Amino acid sequence: DQQVKQNSPSLSVQEGRISILNCDYTNSMFDYFLWYKKYPAEGPTFLISISSIKDKNEDGRFTVFLNKSAKHLSLHIVPSQPGDSAVYFCAASDGGSQGNLIFGKGTKLSVKP
Amino acid sequence: DSGVTQTPKHLITATGQRVTLRCSPRSGDLSVYWYQQSLDQGLQFLIQYYNGEERAKGNILERFSAQQFPDLHSELNLSSLELGDSALYFCASSAPQGVWDNEQFFGPGTRLTVL
Repeated sequence: DQQVKQNSPSLSVQEGRISILNCDYTNSMFDYFLWYKKYPAEGPTFLISISSIKDKNEDGRFTVFLNKSAKHLSLHIVPSQPGDSAVYFCAASDGGSQGNLIFGKGTKLSVKP
Repeated sequence: DSGVTQTPKHLITATGQRVTLRCSPRSGDLSVYWYQQSLDQGLQFLIQYYNGEERAKGNILERFSAQQFPDLHSELNLSSLELGDSALYFCASSAPQGVWDNEQFFGPGTRLTVL
């Protein structure tokens, strides 16, 4: 049973517009959420994270929103750039000393010039 | 460059064989994680080591095993390989306990092809 779900396998956006990537989770014990970006032939790269005590975290063009009641988080990229084209993975952790992450299947973002 | 290195980059082998994947974590990181990414799948957590000790186990098959050595590098051993084991295997490392403990830094991966 998937605990972290990214229901959109792909998303296409025009350069300069907003990209919104969505992620849903089922485990209410998750208290830390991360987004990773992955280019072909490379490992995932950490992008931005949010703790469950917050509902928003912003870093430059990237903002992550967390809605705990809906068990939903989203990543907003504004403005989108062609270099943002990659696969984006949502990940969650229930903290503690283990720290292993549960990943979604990813959303492939294509930003068209 | 994340600072995490993995060797080899590519590995092609036959069913029934055994292979060893190697990972060197970022300098100073004590935790090492192994993940498997099959076609069209997300990253599946396999196992975590912390300072030489097994810390957590995910969906790791009994045919697979791992260890972390005193110099903190880690090896993932895959035996009795099957076609379905073909995948990308990623290693990640993270800093010691603290607020950044959950941020993991990934290596470039090893692509395993079982023929």
